[in-house]
Amino acid sequence: NAGVTQTPKFQVLKTGQSMTLQCAQDMNHEYMSWYRQDPGMGLRLIHYSVGAGITDQGEVPNGYNVSRSTTEDFPLRLLSAAPSQTSVYFCASSLGRDRATEAFFGQGTRLTVV
Amino acid sequence: DAKTTQPPSMDCAEGRAANLPCNHSTISGNEYVYWYRQIHSQGPQYIIHGLKNNETNEMASLIITEDRKSSTLILPHATLRDTAVYYCIVRDGGATNKLIFGTGTLLAVQP
Repeated sequence: NAGVTQTPKFQVLKTGQSMTLQCAQDMNHEYMSWYRQDPGMGLRLIHYSVGAGITDQGEVPNGYNVSRSTTEDFPLRLLSAAPSQTSVYFCASSLGRDRATEAFFGQGTRLTVV
Repeated sequence: DAKTTQPPSMDCAEGRAANLPCNHSTISGNEYVYWYRQIHSQGPQYIIHGLKNNETNEMASLIITEDRKSSTLILPHATLRDTAVYYCIVRDGGATNKLIFGTGTLLAVQP
């Protein structure tokens, strides 16, 4: 059982480049989300999705786009990378709107923008 | 903003119980308290959650006060591998299932 899989694990980008961080889950979870974590800080919510075709903004959405064409996949796109986007990115999924369900996290993508 | 307040750091001796406090004075009646931990910048790991009653699983116990304004996570016999940042989270009361993280408590288990 793979759980939540994030690719790549590490990435270095030049300022202005674009890229897509991939996230896939094999648990048929409705809810998926993206977080970023800067050094010494907690996780901050970027975007989330409550099901295929539905996405919404979190706390820090600027500079990022998402889409949810399938239940399994929730890619995060950096449109024009900036050094301020250097961070560790985590994807998470959970069953759905039931408040009593646990979230599963991927192992993270470590992104450096130079 | 996070709805919880935790001490930034705590120490615990190996083999002893670790008691991690959390204040959530603005919690509403239908919001759950969740605990996650993060080891060495890995992805956060679910520990336990509760609504009103105390809860126990193979990892930990969760004690919630009667007024639900605070809770304590108990690791009964801490090991070195329990050294991590522990996050107490009040799950968003809306329909979005958002987890809003604070800065957590760094628990250092000492040999």
